[in-house]
Amino acid sequence: DAGVTQSPTHLIKTRGQQVTLRCSPKSGHDTVSWYQQALGQGPQFIFQYYEEEERQRGNFPDRFSGHQFPNYSSELNVNALLLGDSALYLCASSLGGRTTFRTDTQYFGPGTRLTVL
Amino acid sequence: AQSVTQPDIHITVSEGASLELRCNYSYGATPYLFWYVQSPGQGLQLLLKYFSGDTLVQGIKGFEAEFKRSQSSFNLRKPSVHWSDAAEYFCAPFSGGYNKLIFGAGTRLAVHP
Repeated sequence: DAGVTQSPTHLIKTRGQQVTLRCSPKSGHDTVSWYQQALGQGPQFIFQYYEEEERQRGNFPDRFSGHQFPNYSSELNVNALLLGDSALYLCASSLGGRTTFRTDTQYFGPGTRLTVL
Repeated sequence: AQSVTQPDIHITVSEGASLELRCNYSYGATPYLFWYVQSPGQGLQLLLKYFSGDTLVQGIKGFEAEFKRSQSSFNLRKPSVHWSDAAEYFCAPFSGGYNKLIFGAGTRLAVHP
């Protein structure tokens, strides 16, 4: 049973550039959440996708956008990169469902390390 | 707003010693609580979770955690630490809505041989 996979593993960009990170959820999962983990800090929730729509968003600017595909995989896009965007970006998958309150466990991928120079 | 506090940034224990990592949360409703572990440069692995029922929860790798509503705590324990337990540990309450986790700052565990 494949777990959550993310690509690429590492990425180096310069300020002002755009980046796309990819995530494939655990088999059977339909919901993908993205988190940003700055060095020495805990992960911060960016947004969550279910049924190809963003259904919850954390306190991140519009430069951060995403997409979910019919096969439940997801992309995180960041435009106009800033030095402060350097972080480990984690993808987590879970079973979403249509209810507004879910407690299904989130399983995390290994992350993508983004460095902005 | 929901929040979580892990008071200990760094903890060092000797191999074979017992371990307790503290977690305090601020949450108005019945919380759902998770502990995750992160090895250097890696993603997060679920250790255990509390949704309801028995307040003492068993997890993987010999870890357990006890939910104490009166103290708003969910401390992680292990009776005998192994060198491979050296990692960063995150307590994460579940925030109401669409399954959003709120992470503490983490506790970095070092294990001396």
